[in-house]
Amino acid sequence: ETGVTQSPTHLIKTRGQQVTLRCSSQSGHNTVSWYQQALGQGPQFIFQYYREEENGRGNFPPRFSGLQFPNYSSELNVNALELDDSALYLCASSPLAGGADRTDTQYFGPGTRLTVL
Amino acid sequence: GENVEQHPSTLSVQEGDSAVIKCTYSDSASNYFPWYKQELGKRPQLIIDIRSNVGEKKDQRIAVTLNKTAKHFSLHITETQPEDSAVYFCAAEYGNKLVFGAGTILRVKS
Repeated sequence: ETGVTQSPTHLIKTRGQQVTLRCSSQSGHNTVSWYQQALGQGPQFIFQYYREEENGRGNFPPRFSGLQFPNYSSELNVNALELDDSALYLCASSPLAGGADRTDTQYFGPGTRLTVL
Repeated sequence: GENVEQHPSTLSVQEGDSAVIKCTYSDSASNYFPWYKQELGKRPQLIIDIRSNVGEKKDQRIAVTLNKTAKHFSLHITETQPEDSAVYFCAAEYGNKLVFGAGTILRVKS
């Protein structure tokens, strides 16, 4: 069983509000990636954090931002929420070591279900 | 561009039969191809992955094959069981991120 945890499990917000989602990586993993999974679709890459720095970003606007902390946990922040932001937000941790240009095996957390009304 | 196509979108098989899901990718530089199983309301779980230095990998009833020349890879599940029913996603590495296919709903009928 993966050790990646996320909080909260569910969240309801209204348009225009801001939200912070949290992720604790699996023990020994120093890289966290965030994905958005809309209903009936595959996960879409938002960004990755490695050594507390953003290490690659997908096609998401700047109102999606993140942080990584010294203990490798991470936050995803979304400002000015829109209805289309309603989705399952997944984080995945991986034991990326050394070079930041190689994708290593990613283990997903249970996700946060965000509903924007 | 960065793209992974997955087929079929739904697949129904009889218990005990085999199931095959196919994916194609666009970037010849991709070297890592994982498969995830996602049950309703749960996290995607890695079931098998393959790197470009091998053409096939097996783990009990699950196997993955990779054809780098044709840029496609496939998941094979033999002797399917009802608990194999789930959504399966393929993914391909693009740089340091995974790009996922749209998923295949697998239904195993008993």
